[in-house]
Amino acid sequence: QLQLQESGPGLVKPSETLSLTCTVSGGSISSSSYHWGWIRQPPGKGLEWIGSIYYSGNTYYNPSLKSRVTISVDTSKNQFSLKLSSVTAADTAVYYCARLSGYNSRHDYWGQGTLVTVSS
Amino acid sequence: EIVMTQSPATLSVSPGERATLSCRASQSVSSDLAWYQQKPGQAPRLLIYGASTRATGIPARFSGSGSGTEFTLTISSLQSEDFAVYYCQQYNNWPPLTFGGGTTVEIK
Repeated sequence: QLQLQESGPGLVKPSETLSLTCTVSGGSISSSSYHWGWIRQPPGKGLEWIGSIYYSGNTYYNPSLKSRVTISVDTSKNQFSLKLSSVTAADTAVYYCARLSGYNSRHDYWGQGTLVTVSS
Repeated sequence: EIVMTQSPATLSVSPGERATLSCRASQSVSSDLAWYQQKPGQAPRLLIYGASTRATGIPARFSGSGSGTEFTLTISSLQSEDFAVYYCQQYNNWPPLTFGGGTTVEIK
């Protein structure tokens, strides 16, 4: 059974860089059939797609966040990562990693999510 | 960016009744639409993709329909475990992939 697990600091200071890693188990991140993505959800609000990556390193970003986002992949560790720079309180959210099937279409497996709070 | 609008924001339904949720796209997304269910404190779960194809393990009481700009998720007979928030998401024109604002299905 495929599992995804987010990890990283739960508290980040304003203007600093948020860094999260998603570890994939029960399947290979190098599969040609899937992309791997990040989605966030501010407390009490809806879902926002951040971006996604293919095992080859091809990335796709939400234009609203593109200037601050970097998604990378480490196939040797079966992990992919998110960096979001210059964070503000508006970046406080639960961050989810997920697998996308059907060429960047549907998110069919999700991690449990991790709350990241931006505060001094 | 394609804007997804869900209605109503909240739907009050009695157990055993039918629930009908709507999702509208700001421009045609063909059938490139997915539905998710999210319970408090949990990650979303994929229910439907391709507007009408149930994901693996999803009960038959969940059905999706529509194409173009108008979509519907129907839960034929609500069970206690179905009270949750439901989101639609388009994947026809990206980036970005975009989600609707969600519909909360609550117990009447």
